[in-house]
Amino acid sequence: RKEVEQDPGPFNVPEGATVAFNCTYSNSASQSFFWYRQDCRKEPKLLMSVYSSGNEDGRFTAQLNRASQYISLLIRDSKLSDSATYLCVVTPQGGSEKLVFGKGMKLTVNP
Amino acid sequence: DTEVTQTPKHLVMGMTNKKSLKCEQHMGHRAMYWYKQKAKKPPELMFVYSYEKLSINESVPSRFSPECPNSSLLNLHLHALQPEDSALYLCASSQRTSGGSTYEQYFGPGTRLTVT
Repeated sequence: RKEVEQDPGPFNVPEGATVAFNCTYSNSASQSFFWYRQDCRKEPKLLMSVYSSGNEDGRFTAQLNRASQYISLLIRDSKLSDSATYLCVVTPQGGSEKLVFGKGMKLTVNP
Repeated sequence: DTEVTQTPKHLVMGMTNKKSLKCEQHMGHRAMYWYKQKAKKPPELMFVYSYEKLSINESVPSRFSPECPNSSLLNLHLHALQPEDSALYLCASSQRTSGGSTYEQYFGPGTRLTVT
């Protein structure tokens, strides 16, 4: 089983739609979780850290389910500018300096 | 300011050339990273420096040689590369890990390397 698994899509949605991404991780010792966004030919940019209690930033909500070992990202009222690849990122163990990236989910929001 | 800068933006080099990639951050971060990213793939970790000391080398070929002259600077020296080494090379920095927590990494814009 891969350390981090995401459905790569592509995901094509109309503007205004709600999109949900899930990502599973294999190592129960993983402690830190992040969502990054990467635009074409650009660097990954931190979108959100994912906390045990879940967190929300405007139209974006991230949640962690330790029992089932997955994290999720919900995007509400999607905008054209949300089109990007979304990368699920975890640490293989607590306090590790190493991040493990999922393959990324490509989202296209259509007018 | 969460800025990491990298130079050059683009680099074309022959297989016999020697070149260096540079990365700089002024966020006071004490961990710095080199990643390699091929098209349509996620970034792959190459090296980690923590407090200017190499802490992780992900079995990278010796034709890639990292250097951390001080806490703000990170270099990647390139020598005798192969065409398959063509990729986007990303630098990142973060606060050093503390306890069981890993801090967010902030990426530079990358150097797009082509080996001919």
